[in-house]
Amino acid sequence: GAGVSQSPSNKVTEKGKDVELRCDPISGHTALYWYRQSLGQGLEFLIYFQGNSAPDKSGLPSDRFSAERTGGSVSTLTIQRTQQEDSAVYLCASSVRDRPSYEQYFGPGTRLTVT
Amino acid sequence: AQKVTQAQTEISVVEKEDVTLDCVYETRDTTYYLFWYKQPPSGELVFLIRRNSFDEQNEISGRYSWNFQKSTSSFNFTITASQVVDSAVYFCALSEANSGYSTLTFGKGTMLLVSP
Repeated sequence: GAGVSQSPSNKVTEKGKDVELRCDPISGHTALYWYRQSLGQGLEFLIYFQGNSAPDKSGLPSDRFSAERTGGSVSTLTIQRTQQEDSAVYLCASSVRDRPSYEQYFGPGTRLTVT
Repeated sequence: AQKVTQAQTEISVVEKEDVTLDCVYETRDTTYYLFWYKQPPSGELVFLIRRNSFDEQNEISGRYSWNFQKSTSSFNFTITASQVVDSAVYFCALSEANSGYSTLTFGKGTMLLVSP
């Protein structure tokens, strides 16, 4: 079946602009996660959603970052007033349930470059 | 707090060699889960295996095998008779059952280069 999809695959933006990154999880997966992968920091957790519950935003690096998940499916990660340090690959993952024992399936990522 | 350490930044081997990727973890939970993921050059993280803290049985899947030892807090990954297609970055990760979070804590990854 279809895996996790993300769009766009690449995004180049100017410093100070807002960007939106989209994630389509695997159908039927109730938990959705956003991670960021950068050279200096490795893979960092950003935010996760479980069904229609309030998201866990504990990993968001600043208030310029926000995310929403509509209808318990598609999610959008928004970065406002982008900075050069936001340049990274943003990965989305989904799992059947929000439990530590369940493996997460990752999308191909969105490579964000802030110039 | 939980932590995962992959001390090997990069490993280079020649095809058909065996290679072991090390993973050491720290956690205060008695129930936790360990994972290995593969990230080939295409960039997509691919799930390889999950291991529960209460199951120390080693596992073999084809050329892949995993050695879980709670006494040394290690979860090492061995590839037997490596192939060029094994070239990738491999990540070890941990999730804790009692933290209230199901998010993964990743190691920094080990880049494996297999040359023909």
